[in-house]
Amino acid sequence: DTGVSQNPRHKITKRGQNVTFRCDPISEHNRLYWYRQTLGQGPEFLTYFQNEAQLEKSRLLSDRFSAERPKGSFSTLEIQRTEQGDSAMYLCASSNYNEQFFGPGTRLTVL
Amino acid sequence: DQQVKQNSPSLSVQEGRISILNCDYTNSMFDYFLWYKKYPAEGPTFLISISSIKDKNEDGRFTVFLNKSAKHLSLHIVPSQPGDSAVYFCAASLSELTFGQGTILTVHP
Repeated sequence: DTGVSQNPRHKITKRGQNVTFRCDPISEHNRLYWYRQTLGQGPEFLTYFQNEAQLEKSRLLSDRFSAERPKGSFSTLEIQRTEQGDSAMYLCASSNYNEQFFGPGTRLTVL
Repeated sequence: DQQVKQNSPSLSVQEGRISILNCDYTNSMFDYFLWYKKYPAEGPTFLISISSIKDKNEDGRFTVFLNKSAKHLSLHIVPSQPGDSAVYFCAASLSELTFGQGTILTVHP
């Protein structure tokens, strides 16, 4: 078991560009979560999936953010038309029960 | 509105002594509570958890206490070790996790 993996680990982009991040959960986990963390704060919930169903997406920060989990395995988080305020650490977690296990995160820097 | 609060931004402790990290919450619907440890440039690592039907859970050097009437939980680390130095987050669960702001723990040799 390799744990939750995320790619890329770092992404630098120019304002206005689209970016996509990938998360591979622990293989037997059916729930997958996305969080965002900014400096000095705890992770902030964005969205989550149970298998391929997106059960909560009202907390995505704007309509520029979208997430998919097409086959109930890996997930992608896309940010369109990036803004400097999108610079943050994007974290993915997976679980079967109450304990969520996090990946290493993707650090996004928008110039 | 911050539903989960960690009011101490930092804590400094001598090696071998007890570290006590505190967390307060406002939403009585939370049914599960967790503590995570985070090193720079890494994701949070799960440490220990407690259900709302319990008041204590112990795992090695780590013990979590829950006081539901006060909406307060704490993490005790005994004895503290230099390798425990990290940022500690408490989190409360409904389906997703709601995190506190974190406490930076420094354990001095």
